[in-house]
Amino acid sequence: QQPVQSPQAVILREGEDAVINCSSSKALYSVHWYRQKHGEAPVFLMILLKGGEQKGHDKISASFNEKKQQSSLYLTASQLSYSGTYFCGTALINFGNEKLTFGTGTRLTIIP
Amino acid sequence: KAGVTQTPRYLIKTRGQQVTLSCSPISGHRSVSWYQQTPGQGLQFLFEYFSETQRNKGNFPGRFSGRQFSNSRSEMNVSTLELGDSALYLCASSPRDSRRANYGYTFGSGTRLTVV
Repeated sequence: QQPVQSPQAVILREGEDAVINCSSSKALYSVHWYRQKHGEAPVFLMILLKGGEQKGHDKISASFNEKKQQSSLYLTASQLSYSGTYFCGTALINFGNEKLTFGTGTRLTIIP
Repeated sequence: KAGVTQTPRYLIKTRGQQVTLSCSPISGHRSVSWYQQTPGQGLQFLFEYFSETQRNKGNFPGRFSGRQFSNSRSEMNVSTLELGDSALYLCASSPRDSRRANYGYTFGSGTRLTVV
């Protein structure tokens, strides 16, 4: 079952904050977040594990609500370099034998 | 450190032909996954290999197959190509295991396949 991402697209001015959500109808073990710029490969941002902590580095962080099977990616004080399509990838079982199912993506555009 | 290398970058094939795509993972990564990316369907999981064994398979027809060699390099084959197989095929490798739970996947730049 493909996770649902929202919003599908968002346009922000530099310095504004954004939240991207990822919801699953199934119990999740982990959630991955990736960013893909046009014409490039997806790049790994972070992973959240069941029972794990909220993650973050620089001004990008994420949380995982196990009860709701939802994850949110937070981008604060957005920079032009944050533009791209963000994908969440969900796994139903633990590492070592997982199959990532990706959401349809959220296109983020940062304007000066 | 070299990244994930996929060859060729671009490919044009005729309906009915078959194609083989290659992926060289990052040194030391034993897990290799393949994804199909299209504008309409997004990133769709094809299969995952670990130590030459297919561990997981997505919902694609049997025309899609793959294998992994002892050096972790992987190939993907699509037989009897259809127009709908036109897509970007991405390979991703990872060192993920029980001791490396916080690692994600590193994607290659992909092979753009066009079926005419």
